[in-house]
Amino acid sequence: DAKTTQPPSMDCAEGRAANLPCNHSTISGNEYVYWYRQIHSQGPQYIIHGLKNNETNEMASLIITEDRKSSTLILPHATLRDTAVYYCIVSGGTSYGKLTFGQGTILTVHP
Amino acid sequence: NAGVMQNPRHLVRRRGQEARLRCSPMKGHSHVYWYRQLPEEGLKFMVYLQKENIIDESGMPKERFSAEFPKEGPSILRIQQVVRGDSAAYFCASSSATRGAADTQYFGPGTRLTVL
Repeated sequence: DAKTTQPPSMDCAEGRAANLPCNHSTISGNEYVYWYRQIHSQGPQYIIHGLKNNETNEMASLIITEDRKSSTLILPHATLRDTAVYYCIVSGGTSYGKLTFGQGTILTVHP
Repeated sequence: NAGVMQNPRHLVRRRGQEARLRCSPMKGHSHVYWYRQLPEEGLKFMVYLQKENIIDESGMPKERFSAEFPKEGPSILRIQQVVRGDSAAYFCASSSATRGAADTQYFGPGTRLTVL
């Protein structure tokens, strides 16, 4: 399984953009990059995913580098409710069906 | 459009009893996944099922744990003879998985199991 590396914690001011980095240098060509978050002890919430191209939805944007070895999740206007643990996960290919959660990044949004 | 449903949300069992956790996938989803989150730890994959089939059980403990996803009805995660170390949050996810394409899993709210 491809592994990911994320900073353990980040801070962001409310209303500002939150940029969460992720390294996945061993990603395979048919593996996707997924982002989930977990608020308190709730069930993980799907945010966004991508293969090669940058993606945007109502929650966030995902920027994937051309070599696919890293990506950045962007929350354009962070709110207090975005405080959560954010997980970057690589899945697909031989790890099909199994999401391997790392330690994630604890994002704290300050007033 | 109901999401993934899990019940019960909280379950208390005494050591040696059985625990049954239920998961109803999102409408149109035929793939179910179970994950466990021990206190202060990350989420760990347990098992992946399709209707009537276990696809990947590489994360399941070898003893006392079993899972099924019958043709009709919810998926069941069964823990026999529970021990205190089984106390955890158990999350179910579902997808409409198509091999070769993105397989987005959507999670339920979880069942918090407490073993006394």
